[in-house]
Amino acid sequence: AQSVTQLGSHVSVSEGALVLLRCNYSSSVPPYLFWYVQYPNQGLQLLLKYTSAATLVKGINGFEAEFKKSETSFHLTKPSAHMSDAAEYFCAVSVNNNDMRFGAGTRLTVKP
Amino acid sequence: GAGVSQSPSNKVTEKGKDVELRCDPISGHTALYWYRQSLGQGLEFLIYFQGNSAPDKSGLPSDRFSAERTGGSVSTLTIQRTQQEDSAVYLCASSPRHTYQETQYFGPGTRLLVL
Repeated sequence: AQSVTQLGSHVSVSEGALVLLRCNYSSSVPPYLFWYVQYPNQGLQLLLKYTSAATLVKGINGFEAEFKKSETSFHLTKPSAHMSDAAEYFCAVSVNNNDMRFGAGTRLTVKP
Repeated sequence: GAGVSQSPSNKVTEKGKDVELRCDPISGHTALYWYRQSLGQGLEFLIYFQGNSAPDKSGLPSDRFSAERTGGSVSTLTIQRTQQEDSAVYLCASSPRHTYQETQYFGPGTRLLVL
């Protein structure tokens, strides 16, 4: 069965600094990978998804993620953090269209 | 257009009572999902509906949990004889069709607190 691990339950960066949120997956077959963002008191919103096309995926709000099969990773990055990026971020994996597993989430704090 | 809506937004109940949580999916979306989000944990899949097909109940944690979807639209998640460990945020999502490669659109959730 597939699974996903997010390293770091809390990440804090300064405004303007690089954002790096880590996600590693476990799957014996090519997965579909997703990043969702949850702002306070709101539901989850899709940031980007990898569905076996280009390995570098660009999403909304300047975020991107790179699928690295050799490292079983799908880390989320943004070159310059903005205060509005403060939220909780979830990585998710789906294999063979059989359910979707979410990571435990990483809370991003952006300091002025 | 309108997104996924859920009601109530917050629910406080006493242990042993039954609760009903409602989800209104985006119009035209045939797939509907329920998840549970406990403090400090990721989303736990509970159940999904696709059109008029029998729902996939494989994620329901116990027989105290049940869900129905009337007319292929609104869904109700019912928890009977609530326990304190049921306290969580219950999220509903919908998508145009059931495939996990499809984007899911989430509602704001219902925060359930069982005292």
